[in-house]
Amino acid sequence: DQQVKQNSPSLSVQEGRISILNCDYTNSMFDYFLWYKKYPAEGPTFLISISSIKDKNEDGRFTVFLNKSAKHLSLHIVPSQPGDSAVYFCAASGSGTYKYIFGTGTRLKVLA
Amino acid sequence: SAVISQKPSRDICQRGTSLTIQCQVDSQVTMMFWYRQQPGQSLTLIATANQGSEATYESGFVIDKFPISRPNLTFSTLTVSNMSPEDSSIYLCSVELGEGGGEAFFGQGTRLTVV
Repeated sequence: DQQVKQNSPSLSVQEGRISILNCDYTNSMFDYFLWYKKYPAEGPTFLISISSIKDKNEDGRFTVFLNKSAKHLSLHIVPSQPGDSAVYFCAASGSGTYKYIFGTGTRLKVLA
Repeated sequence: SAVISQKPSRDICQRGTSLTIQCQVDSQVTMMFWYRQQPGQSLTLIATANQGSEATYESGFVIDKFPISRPNLTFSTLTVSNMSPEDSSIYLCSVELGEGGGEAFFGQGTRLTVV
């Protein structure tokens, strides 16, 4: 049972446009969500997070939106840059726990 | 933040052999984690390694197959034992700073191919 789902395995976006990566979850006990970026031959690096008490968190070009009723979160990258080309994982955890459940990732390709 | 050095970065191993992966952190951390990423799959937690106690394994993973050592607060090893081609994956160690529910930091991963 995949508790965290990223239904789009890949996404291509033109440089300068918006990239929207989506993530759905099934466990209503999740209350903390994170996005990681992964380049080939490197470990995932933390990008941005959001707790369930918020519906939006912004950090520079990256914004994460959380819709708790729909159990859906999305990552917006504006404007997209070629260096953003990577695999993006969303992850979820329950309150105060260390266990992260990861989605399968979405490969973003930003075209110059 | 935390800087994690993981080695080897990649290896090709014969089936039936074992490989030990090392993970070194630049600061003392209570909990270290080992993940596996099989081709086309998400990162899956194998076990949690606490210093001074036995590792805690997730469902589907056993100590005989994936023995873990945690001799101090900055170092851990994961051994993949009696390997088969199905063990071909990327293995990542990870740490989390703070009490839990915060961001995790990952090593660069070990790409294992079993032939």
